[in-house]
Amino acid sequence: AQSVTQPDIHITVSEGASLELRCNYSYGATPYLFWYVQSPGQGLQLLLKYFSGDTLVQGIKGFEAEFKRSQSSFNLRKPSVHWSDAAEYFCAVGAYNTDKLIFGTGTRLQVFP
Amino acid sequence: DARVTQTPRHKVTEMGQEVTMRCQPILGHNTVFWYRQTMMQGLELLAYFRNRAPLDDSGMPKDRFSAEMPDATLATLKIQPSEPRDSAVYFCASGSPSPFTAESQYFGPGTRLTVL
Repeated sequence: AQSVTQPDIHITVSEGASLELRCNYSYGATPYLFWYVQSPGQGLQLLLKYFSGDTLVQGIKGFEAEFKRSQSSFNLRKPSVHWSDAAEYFCAVGAYNTDKLIFGTGTRLQVFP
Repeated sequence: DARVTQTPRHKVTEMGQEVTMRCQPILGHNTVFWYRQTMMQGLELLAYFRNRAPLDDSGMPKDRFSAEMPDATLATLKIQPSEPRDSAVYFCASGSPSPFTAESQYFGPGTRLTVL
C-alpha cells in the first residue's frame, strides 16, 4: 500500500537560512510525488510535482525538490527562507491513471526574524 | 482566477444537528474530492466523484455522512446527526482528469466545523 512519511512534525528556522523538509514514500510502482503548502486558515496549494524526467523539480515561491529513488525520498528545499514561508507543508504520493493522493501528516514550518 | 469555493467557512452546531457543507468546483472540472483534516488523523479522503457519480466513498462513515453532486456546479457533504468527533476542517478539491486527476487537485479554503 502507498504511504508517505514526513518525519519532522515541526521545524524552526531563521529568516534567510536554508530549508530542507523531508519526505519518504512507499510505493511499489513509479510514484507521482507532490508538495503542497497550507497557510493558516487556507486550503492547500500545489508547490511542485514530479512525474518523470529530471529528478530535480522546480516549483513556485523558490522551492525545489529532488526525487531520489534509491532513498525513496522527495525532500523539499529552499536556499533562503522568508518569513512568509511559515506554513504547513504536505508531501503526497499518487500513481499514474489514478485520482487519489495519499498525504503525509505534514511539517509545520516556523520562521524567526 | 478560477477557484474552488466552499460554504460556509465556519459552522458551529450542537450535537445531533444536521450539517450541510457546499462546494462549487472550478468550472470545467469534473472530479470533486472531499477531505477531512484533523490534528490527530491529518488529511483524510472521505469521498470523490467524477462526472457527478460517486467513485469512492470508502473513507466516509456511512451511517451519518452522505455526499452528493446535484449538478456539475455543486457538491454537498452532509452529516446527520453530527457528533463532537466530527469537528474538523472539511476541504473540497476539484480536478480535471487530463491526463489524470492526481496531477491537479485544486483545494478550496475549507469549512471549519465545530460540534458542541
